Amino acid sequence: LAKTTQPISMDSYEGQEVNITCSHNNIATNDYITWYQQFPSQGPRFIIQGYKTKVTNEVASLFIPADRKSSTLSLPRVSLSDTAVYYCLVGEGSGNTGKLIFGQGTTLQVKP
Amino acid sequence: DVKVTQSSRYLVKRTGEKVFLECVQDMDHENMFWYRQDPGLGLRLIYFSYDVKMKEKGDIPEGYSVSREKKERFSLILESASTNQTSMYLCASSPIQGPREKLFFGSGTQLSVL
Repeated sequence: LAKTTQPISMDSYEGQEVNITCSHNNIATNDYITWYQQFPSQGPRFIIQGYKTKVTNEVASLFIPADRKSSTLSLPRVSLSDTAVYYCLVGEGSGNTGKLIFGQGTTLQVKP
Repeated sequence: DVKVTQSSRYLVKRTGEKVFLECVQDMDHENMFWYRQDPGLGLRLIYFSYDVKMKEKGDIPEGYSVSREKKERFSLILESASTNQTSMYLCASSPIQGPREKLFFGSGTQLSVL
């Protein structure tokens, strides 16, 4: 059974780089790792997705080691508006018909 | 932009009522999902569907059923609402082509069962 584990909370200050790690020991071969951001009273919003090594977009970077049993979301130079809950998502089972299981989420608090 | 629309933003029902939560997506996605979200418990998968008339149980299907008669619409049904089903319900969709983990979420329905 796929299970993801993230830290419950993290604090940071404006301008710092924040790294949030997610463990997913039983990730399936064909599944991607996806991270979401959620603000209060809104649905989660896609941030970044990767399969292996490193992916970077205008918002974040995602680092995935060769064994794919974990991933790290990196937010460069955070601001107050990055205060949110961050979730990692992996699939369970192969193919297109397995479950998609979220981690518990990491509440990031950015302080001035 | 993909739009996932949930029929109600807030809903108040009484114990024992039958409750329908509706979700519609406009991007012709094959996959649709229902999650519930409670403080401290994150997002938990209730049911999902990867095709019309297909449904699969998630981690917490008890007390719920679903209906997918058309590709764009996925309904969550609480047959007899109970107070422990008070929660935020989130619908999501994703395409079957490409990584299915790229989900598009609706704004959620906050359901209160009294």
